[in-house]
Amino acid sequence: AQSVTQLGSHVSVSEGALVLLRCNYSSSVPPYLFWYVQYPNQGLQLLLKYTSAATLVKGINGFEAEFKKSETSFHLTKPSAHMSDAAEYFCAVSSTGNQFYFGTGTSLTVIP
Amino acid sequence: EAGVTQFPSHSVIEKGQTVTLRCDPISGHDNLYWYRRVMGKEIKFLLHFVKESKQDESGMPNNRFLAERTGGTYSTLKVQPAELEDSGVYFCASSQDIWSGRGKVTQYFGPGTRLLVL
Repeated sequence: AQSVTQLGSHVSVSEGALVLLRCNYSSSVPPYLFWYVQYPNQGLQLLLKYTSAATLVKGINGFEAEFKKSETSFHLTKPSAHMSDAAEYFCAVSSTGNQFYFGTGTSLTVIP
Repeated sequence: EAGVTQFPSHSVIEKGQTVTLRCDPISGHDNLYWYRRVMGKEIKFLLHFVKESKQDESGMPNNRFLAERTGGTYSTLKVQPAELEDSGVYFCASSQDIWSGRGKVTQYFGPGTRLLVL
């Protein structure tokens, strides 16, 4: 069985501060892992993905995530938050590349 | 290249009515997926088409939901009759042939259809 847990449904950070959004997954086989972002009134946009290459994955808009097998984690980070990063972020896991299992999402607020 | 498009963007209907959602995938993508997010919960898989064939419909809630992909291009998802618990955001996604390589597993999502059943 596969599942994703995103700790913290709401995260607030100050502009310029570190962004850390947590994602832990459960998968019985080597997983594909994804982070998607949803800006207000828009669809899901791929931020980055892990597909068994480098464990540190760099994505768009300065985001990156590190795959840690021993911790079954794929946390999303960005060194310095911008106001434009305010959005909802979703972590997803898949063992086949077909059915994706999503977490419940984390809403990021950036405080000026 | 056009992305995944969905129509309508919003739909408000009364319980017992019928609604049909449409998804146009990225051109050339054989795989098409439907997902649903009920408010405050996770995005859940509904079903997966490979071209015009249903590969996996394990996530379909019940027989009030009918998905089709005639000709292997666009897809429709019909809810008949709609119930209150069907309210949510319905997302469509598409991807290339995953057997082309591990890097091609990315699913590209549409903007979603927000369905409200009153």
